[in-house]
Amino acid sequence: SSELTQDPAVSVALGQTVRITCQGDTLKNYFASWYQQKPGRAPVLVIYSKNKRPSGIPDRFSGSGSGNTASLTITGAQAEDEADYYCNSRDNIASLLVFGTGTKVTVL
Amino acid sequence: EVQLVESGGAVVQPGGSLRLSCAASGFAFDDYTMHWVRQVPGKGLDWVSLITWDADTTYYADSVRGRFTISRDNRKKSLYLQMDSLRIEDTALYYCAKSQDGSGYFWWDGLDVWGQGTTVSVSS
Repeated sequence: SSELTQDPAVSVALGQTVRITCQGDTLKNYFASWYQQKPGRAPVLVIYSKNKRPSGIPDRFSGSGSGNTASLTITGAQAEDEADYYCNSRDNIASLLVFGTGTKVTVL
Repeated sequence: EVQLVESGGAVVQPGGSLRLSCAASGFAFDDYTMHWVRQVPGKGLDWVSLITWDADTTYYADSVRGRFTISRDNRKKSLYLQMDSLRIEDTALYYCAKSQDGSGYFWWDGLDVWGQGTTVSVSS
């Protein structure tokens, strides 16, 4: 099955911008979604269809992508954005859903 | 309020069986593809299975295919996961989740509602 690779951890100063990337061949054919997960909580969808935000998600979250890479950008990071972030998409060949390896975002 | 509530998690011995349930409320359950996703504490998300709105199509991760069976009862607004031949590596928190896409064609494009999970522990 396909793999989606993310950097294990990134840090960002309060109010600054951070970009989280997700790489995998399947992203050449399928959009990525992004999830935020805080400790002890269920994941929350923050981006789908590469760049669409569900209602209630702040507009400081944005998605983009090109080729085999998808990105989640937090513009003006807040303390409450400190969390684990996962990308996901479908497998390139089989009818499977694949999650990325996850990125821990620390807001300094 | 849109809500998913899982139940049925327990401690079970290797080789045993368990049936998880997920009760939906606050949305048109029978319009959406539903998923099971699991997570070992401290580890990443691991997709398990999905079922389309009409139960006509089911997909499984390679690691559970042939051992787990997903099903749904639209009249009861409930999703199920029958887990047989359980292994130690199946130990995890199991979430049910809803596809945000209502057409059925883009079942992979975002899971917008998640339950709080139910814990399965496989141990001798």
